[in-house]
Amino acid sequence: ETGVTQSPTHLIKTRGQQVTLRCSSQSGHNTVSWYQQALGQGPQFIFQYYREEENGRGNFPPRFSGLQFPNYSSELNVNALELDDSALYLCASSPKTATNEKLFFGSGTQLSVL
Amino acid sequence: DQQVKQNSPSLSVQEGRISILNCDYTNSMFDYFLWYKKYPAEGPTFLISISSIKDKNEDGRFTVFLNKSAKHLSLHIVPSQPGDSAVYFCAASDPGGTSYGKLTFGQGTILTVHP
Repeated sequence: ETGVTQSPTHLIKTRGQQVTLRCSSQSGHNTVSWYQQALGQGPQFIFQYYREEENGRGNFPPRFSGLQFPNYSSELNVNALELDDSALYLCASSPKTATNEKLFFGSGTQLSVL
Repeated sequence: DQQVKQNSPSLSVQEGRISILNCDYTNSMFDYFLWYKKYPAEGPTFLISISSIKDKNEDGRFTVFLNKSAKHLSLHIVPSQPGDSAVYFCAASDPGGTSYGKLTFGQGTILTVHP
């Protein structure tokens, strides 16, 4: 059973640029969620995708967008990068969409915005 | 507005002793609570959960207690082992929330277990 994998592991961008982060969900999981973890904080919910549709969104601006593909893999896109976007971005998958479903996390992509 | 709070940034415990990690929440609509453990350079891994209809759930060395009236939960690890040293996150879910599938996390507590 393959776990959740994310790429790249580290990324450095400059302010104003755009970035795409990728995630492959665990085998058999059809739901993908993205979280942002700033230094010293807990993960913050960005959005969730189920059957290629956005299924819930946290308090993040529209320049944070995503996609889910038919194989349930997902992308997180961030436009017009700001310094405060520097964080660890975590992808998590679950077998189905439910509020009491535990999430399986990848190791994350560490994004630095200079 | 921090709806889930872990007020102790760090905890240091001797091997073999009990570790108690605490978590407070403000949203009375939360109905399911989870604890995650995170090692450096790895993603959080699920540890144990509890539904709001229960006040205790046990899994091996790990026990979670929920006090709904106080909006407080705690994770007990007995006996503590050096391999338990990690960051522990408390998380909660709200079935009636506007963001389906959202977990709200606390800030985390760094547990260090000394041999």
